[in-house]
Amino acid sequence: SQTIHQWPATLVQPVGSPLSLECTVEGTSNPNLYWYRQAAGRGLQLLFYSVGIGQISSEVPQNLSASRPQDRQFILSSKKLLLSDSGFYLCAWSAQFNGRSFGPGTRLTVT
Amino acid sequence: GQQLNQSPQSMFIQEGEDVSMNCTSSSIFNTWLWYKQDPGEGPVLLIALYKAGELTSNGRLTAQFGITRKDSFLNISASIPSDVGIYFCAGLITGTASKLTFGTGTRLQVTL
Repeated sequence: SQTIHQWPATLVQPVGSPLSLECTVEGTSNPNLYWYRQAAGRGLQLLFYSVGIGQISSEVPQNLSASRPQDRQFILSSKKLLLSDSGFYLCAWSAQFNGRSFGPGTRLTVT
Repeated sequence: GQQLNQSPQSMFIQEGEDVSMNCTSSSIFNTWLWYKQDPGEGPVLLIALYKAGELTSNGRLTAQFGITRKDSFLNISASIPSDVGIYFCAGLITGTASKLTFGTGTRLQVTL
């Protein structure tokens, strides 16, 4: 069966520091991968998606970036965090263009 | 980005009561999904609907794909405390990698 992992689970970072969140998927190949952000009490906002290695599409312009160095690895990064980057970051995968299966999430607090 | 209108925004109900929530859109979707999110965790898929008019059940949960393709409904029968959480609808246009649009969520709280 397929599983999706995210780490770290929780992160507290100062404003201006870099960020790297990692997501890996097991049990499938060539998945579509997604990064979502969820502000407190709000819905899910799609940040990036990828249909293959090295292929990244950005949905919302901001100071975040994403990379897919391997088929089942998706990384969310920032060179300098802003206070507004705080939130709950969710990685998800899908086979072809079906519904998403979500990871456990990373709670990021920028201080 | 676009979000679906989901109502109610929150509900306080007593254990044993039935729950109804709905999701509406100005756009047509060809797949509707319902997710539940527990605090501090990622959303978990509850029910997927693939055809207009389809009625699908998963235990005490029943969801329907509206005939107009612009809405969907979720019912929970005989609620229990573990039903607490946020329920999200999502509409999907298959064939496009990114076009899964989420609702604004319904927060459900169950009192004993």
